[in-house]
Amino acid sequence: QVQLVQSGAEVKKPGASVKVSCKVSGYTLTEVSVHWLRQAPGKGLEWMGGYDPEDSEIIYAQKFQGRVTMTEDSSTDTAYMHLTSLKSEDTAVYYCARVRGDLPIPDFWGQGTLVTVSS
Amino acid sequence: DIQMTQSPSSLSASVGDRVTITCQASQDINNYLNWYQQKPGKAPKLLIYDASNLEAGVPSRFSGSGSGTYFTFTISSLQPEDIATYYCQQYDNRPSMTFGQGTRLDNK
Repeated sequence: QVQLVQSGAEVKKPGASVKVSCKVSGYTLTEVSVHWLRQAPGKGLEWMGGYDPEDSEIIYAQKFQGRVTMTEDSSTDTAYMHLTSLKSEDTAVYYCARVRGDLPIPDFWGQGTLVTVSS
Repeated sequence: DIQMTQSPSSLSASVGDRVTITCQASQDINNYLNWYQQKPGKAPKLLIYDASNLEAGVPSRFSGSGSGTYFTFTISSLQPEDIATYYCQQYDNRPSMTFGQGTRLDNK
């Protein structure tokens, strides 16, 4: 069955960077990519970026452009989200989610990775 | 950016009640609207896709309707396990997506 398993919680200082991994099983990243979203404590869901099959490239939300890089290793079916120049406002649970074919409908989600940014 | 306005932000209901949540888009999004359920400490779960299609394995007491800019989500008879936060999500300007601010549903 489809599963997405993310790396464990992280604690970072302001200005540092974090890399979260997402290993998929039950399908391959060459079939369907993942998108990344986050949720600050007590807040709603925020899309960070994902693969655009029309342009064959990863598109990032404007808010994160220049600070985020999303990559995929098809040999291990693992996706990565790298966020730099961390601020306290980046404290959140970060999710990877499989989307439904070419449509950005997140249908399977990772368990989430809590990233805490604190001095 | 397309803004999604979800209401109410919180709601108290009793087991057996009919519950309705609405989501309004800032522009026409056709039927590119999904509904999710999220329980504390868990990832969201897809319930309804493309405004009115029930995801496989989801109980039939959940339903959705609407198109264009106005959408509704209904639980026909609330069950104890339905206590959660619910989100709408649009994907008209794919690949990006935006979510409503959520509706917290609790026991009356």
